Amino acid sequence: GESVGLHLPTLSVQEGDNSIINCAYSNSASDYFIWYKQESGKGPQFIIDIRSNMDKRQGQRVTVLLNKTVKHLSLQIAATQPGDSAVYFCAENGNAGNMLTFGGGTRLMVKP
Amino acid sequence: NAGVMQNPRHLVRRRGQEARLRCSPMKGHSHVYWYRQLPEEGLKFMVYLQKENIIDESGMPKERFSAEFPKEGPSILRIQQVVRGDSAAYFCASSPIGSNTEAFFGQGTRLTVV
Repeated sequence: GESVGLHLPTLSVQEGDNSIINCAYSNSASDYFIWYKQESGKGPQFIIDIRSNMDKRQGQRVTVLLNKTVKHLSLQIAATQPGDSAVYFCAENGNAGNMLTFGGGTRLMVKP
Repeated sequence: NAGVMQNPRHLVRRRGQEARLRCSPMKGHSHVYWYRQLPEEGLKFMVYLQKENIIDESGMPKERFSAEFPKEGPSILRIQQVVRGDSAAYFCASSPIGSNTEAFFGQGTRLTVV
């Protein structure tokens, strides 16, 4: 079935380095994508979103890239900080009604 | 503006009891979504509701689970005759309109069935 998945389950980076978290999606009808950050014991926190009519969107220290040709989404975090340590999920909305389909998550660990 | 409020944060039930999870959406939001998350896994969609209407319940188990979002009051996710496999974190999200907008999540209810 349609699904959203991630390539790397765990990513370990040095503080100050840039992080890249990848996500593959298979629903070609998806036109809206969101990255969420989830810290231990908390709910998902919205980071950044992108619509299918764009291929790049930047926020504060974060950039999302969308490659519709290969159905690939990535989240780039610049100058990664210890507070960025969390599990990151990509989610896509290929249906009406904002029913998000989540990937399995990537755990980002930032080493001081 | 308070965020999505869920209660209780933690709920312990014995097998066979009923669990009631509550979700108050953000002010001005009329769309509510329930998700379930097992440890070390992603969130799985369960049900999408608007006031007094179930829009999509394709992710809900066929038995023991039900959800409502009444005209007044919070949305309720109800699990009857809980089993150990129901132990999970249940998250609620809300949005102001139905399509292609960000959904804001609550802090979740962690259900433990003993």
